[in-house]
Order: sequence, then structure tokens, then C-alpha cells
Amino acid sequence: DSGVTQTPKHLITATGQRVTLRCSPRSGDLSVYWYQQSLDQGLQFLIQYYNGEERAKGNILERFSAQQFPDLHSELNLSSLELGDSALYFCASSSPLAGEETQYFGPGTRLLVL
Amino acid sequence: LAKTTQPISMDSYEGQEVNITCSHNNIATNDYITWYQQFPSQGPRFIIQGYKTKVTNEVASLFIPADRKSSTLSLPRVSLSDTAVYYCLVGDYGQNFVFGPGTRLSVLP
Repeated sequence: DSGVTQTPKHLITATGQRVTLRCSPRSGDLSVYWYQQSLDQGLQFLIQYYNGEERAKGNILERFSAQQFPDLHSELNLSSLELGDSALYFCASSSPLAGEETQYFGPGTRLLVL
Repeated sequence: LAKTTQPISMDSYEGQEVNITCSHNNIATNDYITWYQQFPSQGPRFIIQGYKTKVTNEVASLFIPADRKSSTLSLPRVSLSDTAVYYCLVGDYGQNFVFGPGTRLSVLP
């Protein structure tokens, strides 16, 4: 158990819909990262937040957005969903002491768009 | 961000030592080298990190030559449960960080 929690574990929805994925980082971690992993594909970095502020952006689609709240949990919002958005979405967190190179990943949310 | 190159796949037998080499020719002075392990449908798990020479923990060893243009993850006496994808990462995770395809290790009985 990494200490990072993600909800829900599974999500099934239809094209055109909007969903929200939630992540709670490890206690004390200030950074939250979001990744997308499609079937048999590598992990794609989407976005990073540090203590409530956006810190780095990867190849995140404009239909996707995220935020980190004062209690440091984060949400990833996916809208106008397409079939190709079906994937595992991972959240990770890191400590300001250990550095960004050491990330602890959550169990992921499996999204299926029908 | 330093680009990394790893073998796509490797096979081994239980009880053998496995060495996975990663090339990172344009590694920057401040970059660390980090390895992760990922099982199917699970998030990656941090294995080991190093900057130079050799690092060892209870799970693996990491060998980094003086020029730091490559690194080797060594897994001693692998078991079936070590079957996973292993990722080598170099650089600043805050800057458009991308996991490569990794090395798919299959441990056979």
C-alpha cells in the first residue's frame, strides 16, 4: 500500500459524458501527479500540482482539467469523453523532502467509455 | 529531459540474477536515475534511485558508471513474482515527464 488513494476504482460511462476522478496523496506529500495509461501502453504524464498550484503540464487534452484543493487532494476532470479516453488513470504523490524523482502511485481508476 | 533506451523485453529463470541496462547519453549534471516496477493493472512502484557509482537496497542494486551515460538495474535471484515491467527514468520529473515503454521481464519456472 503506497498510501495514495484513488476513487473510484472503476468507472463506466458513455461518450460525451463528464467524469471526475479523485486522488488523496500520502500524508505530508505536497505534489500530485496525474498519468494516463492506455491498454499495453506506457504511462503518459498529464499534469502536476504542487501545494495547490499547477507546476508542470504534459500532453493533457483541453477536454481534461485538474485541480488541487487546500487539503491537498486532487481531482481530474474529463469531459466530452471519447472512446479513446478509456484507460487507467493513475495519481502519484511525492514529498518535498524526497524530491520529485520518488513518486508513490495510487492503485488507479479504470475508465471505460462506451 | 534525458531520453532513455531500454530493451523491450527480457526472459529469465527463477533463481537467476537479472541485469537490465538503460542508456541515457544526454543525462544532465543534476539528473538522478530512478527505476520503477509495474505489475499489470497496478501503479508503478519505486525500486531504487542513484546518482553515481553503486546503490543497493533490500530489493535491487543500481550500477552507474563514471560517465553516467548508462545504468544497470540488478535483481538478485529473481522469482516468478518479479515478472513485471521495469522503467528507467532520468531527469526532472516536473518537466513534461514521460515514462518510456520500459522493459518487460518474464521470469520462467
